[in-house]
Amino acid sequence: DGGITQSPKYLFRKEGQNVTLSCEQNLNHDAMYWYRQDPGQGLRLIYYSQIVNDFQKGDIAEGYSVSREKKESFPLTVTSAQKNPTAFYLCASSTGNPDTQYFGPGTRLTVL
Amino acid sequence: SQKIEQNSEALNIQEGKTATLTCNYTNYSPAYLQWYRQDPGRGPVFLLLIRENEKEKRKERLKVTFDTTLKQSLFHITASQPADSATYLCALDRNYGQNFVFGPGTRLSVLP
Repeated sequence: DGGITQSPKYLFRKEGQNVTLSCEQNLNHDAMYWYRQDPGQGLRLIYYSQIVNDFQKGDIAEGYSVSREKKESFPLTVTSAQKNPTAFYLCASSTGNPDTQYFGPGTRLTVL
Repeated sequence: SQKIEQNSEALNIQEGKTATLTCNYTNYSPAYLQWYRQDPGRGPVFLLLIRENEKEKRKERLKVTFDTTLKQSLFHITASQPADSATYLCALDRNYGQNFVFGPGTRLSVLP
């Protein structure tokens, strides 16, 4: 059963702690993306990767970091430098061509 | 500055009518435009992609138009049903499809 998974679905952290969100896909897609969504707003691009071992900053990369060591995995770390980390985080993948993006179910991060 | 706008934050229509959602953009030159559906608490689901050289695209009860002169896309759902109630997002490609920028979304409610 192909798809894209994110874990956990809900995550709570104390202020000042780093936290890593998982994103895995078995669609054999080259490109992967991380977005942030705040209530009542659209998606904002954090980081994206077109190929293994390479990634680019999106529109709101400050306070976040990523790695792309394997084609299937694109974890996102929310660091303590991120001023307002509470949000809904969405991971997506695509073939890399201007094609459909397949989204994961999302992780809702709450920083207390 | 660059901007993507979607008509009214919320749109209510009667079941059976045609819903028309608008996506307008400024200072972008997309080669592709996508429409997604998002249900509360879930990741977006791809609906349609239209290229800059295509005027119109259809899929079952859905129709998308793309006018690069007006810098506008229209998304139509004919014979709307309560199950069509969701938030609809438009997305424009950047850098020849390397990544996409999303509009804020329109929340559609189809009333029985």
